[in-house]
Amino acid sequence: NAGVTQTPKFRILKIGQSMTLQCTQDMNHNYMYWYRQDPGMGLKLIYYSVGAGITDKGEVPNGYNVSRSTTEDFPLRLELAAPSQTSVYFCASSYTLGWEPVLSSYEQYFGPGTRLTVT
Amino acid sequence: AQSVAQPEDQVNVAEGNPLTVKCTYSVSGNPYLFWYVQYPNRGLQFLLKYITGDNLVKGSYGFEAEFNKSQTSFHLKKPSALVSDSALYFCAVGVSGTYKYIFGTGTRLKVLA
Repeated sequence: NAGVTQTPKFRILKIGQSMTLQCTQDMNHNYMYWYRQDPGMGLKLIYYSVGAGITDKGEVPNGYNVSRSTTEDFPLRLELAAPSQTSVYFCASSYTLGWEPVLSSYEQYFGPGTRLTVT
Repeated sequence: AQSVAQPEDQVNVAEGNPLTVKCTYSVSGNPYLFWYVQYPNRGLQFLLKYITGDNLVKGSYGFEAEFNKSQTSFHLKKPSALVSDSALYFCAVGVSGTYKYIFGTGTRLKVLA
């Protein structure tokens, strides 16, 4: 049981390049999340998904796209990289029962992160 | 608006002494509160949560947290700190009626030998 895995661990992009950050979980969790962590700023939610085929925007979605074709995978796409996207990116998942998700949700499991630099 | 605040950027404590990492929150409705720990170059790890029930919540690695509704606080505590507890600690609040969590800015705990 690997939990939540992310690839790559590190990446340097030039301005305007594109890339996909991969995230996979093997816990059969229905919820998945993408966060970015900037120094001194905590975590900001980029996108989340409540199940295969369903995604929604978080606090800071501009410049990113996601898809969720399977329960296991939740890739994050950067189309035109900008220096403001330099950050550490974390994927997380959780298993939630019922229509009141926060009340019945389990804790979030985080991947090890991807450190992205855009120059 | 829902929010969570961690008023201390860093907390220093001597090994063996009790530690407290502070968290206050602002939510409409019932609060769902969490503590996570992050070790260097790692993802966040869940420590404990308060959803309902007893105000004192026990979690992993000997940590506990006390929910105080009147003071809107959820401070993390441990009776005797270890050097290995040195890490970055995040408080988070679940937003009622959504699938989202709001994280605090983190508090760096340094336990000195």
